[in-house]
Amino acid sequence: EAGVAQSPRYKIIEKRQSVAFWCNPISGHATLYWYQQILGQGPKLLIQFQNNGVVDDSQLPKDRFSAERLKGVDSTLKIQPAKLEDSAVYLCASSLNMAGGTNYGYTFGSGTRLTVV
Amino acid sequence: DAKTTQPPSMDCAEGRAANLPCNHSTISGNEYVYWYRQIHSQGPQYIIHGLKNNETNEMASLIITEDRKSSTLILPHATLRDTAVYYCIVRVGNSGGSNYKLTFGKGTLLTVNP
Repeated sequence: EAGVAQSPRYKIIEKRQSVAFWCNPISGHATLYWYQQILGQGPKLLIQFQNNGVVDDSQLPKDRFSAERLKGVDSTLKIQPAKLEDSAVYLCASSLNMAGGTNYGYTFGSGTRLTVV
Repeated sequence: DAKTTQPPSMDCAEGRAANLPCNHSTISGNEYVYWYRQIHSQGPQYIIHGLKNNETNEMASLIITEDRKSSTLILPHATLRDTAVYYCIVRVGNSGGSNYKLTFGKGTLLTVNP
């Protein structure tokens, strides 16, 4: 099966600019996650969708970050305006359902590396 | 989710077994131990998981102590391509009905040397 697709692969922007990341999960996966991974740290969950509804966005900085999954398939994560501390890799993952579905749990994309200068 | 403790880094010689430890002393009875790894510039990849019995698949073996307070991931014949950050995560398993999110720590950087 095709994996989780993310684009762009890399992005460099100036602080206070806006940026958007796109994720296409594995076909049939109801649950989609966005993680932020700062250099040297493990990934941190930003937001979780079940179909087109938000399940958990408790760690999403809502003053500047937004995400949507309008048709319950692909998703967009936006940052506006960006700060220097937003420099990180943004990972998208999907699973069959909130319990992780099969024993293989989540499938991650390769991520988008954002640099804010 | 219970917290886990892993060494920040480990080295292993190519062809030898790599044994990665993880402490999870506050694990609950319904929490599984999951292992993921992250190769440079890639997303995390599932390796193996278990509840209380030892598990083995084509990638690795997972040894869980009888009291379930610690576990060891074993890569039986490490190769250079196994160089990665390995994450030990505990969470409720696939019993359905609840939201089981993965919470990552800093993991262990395993470096396999030629």
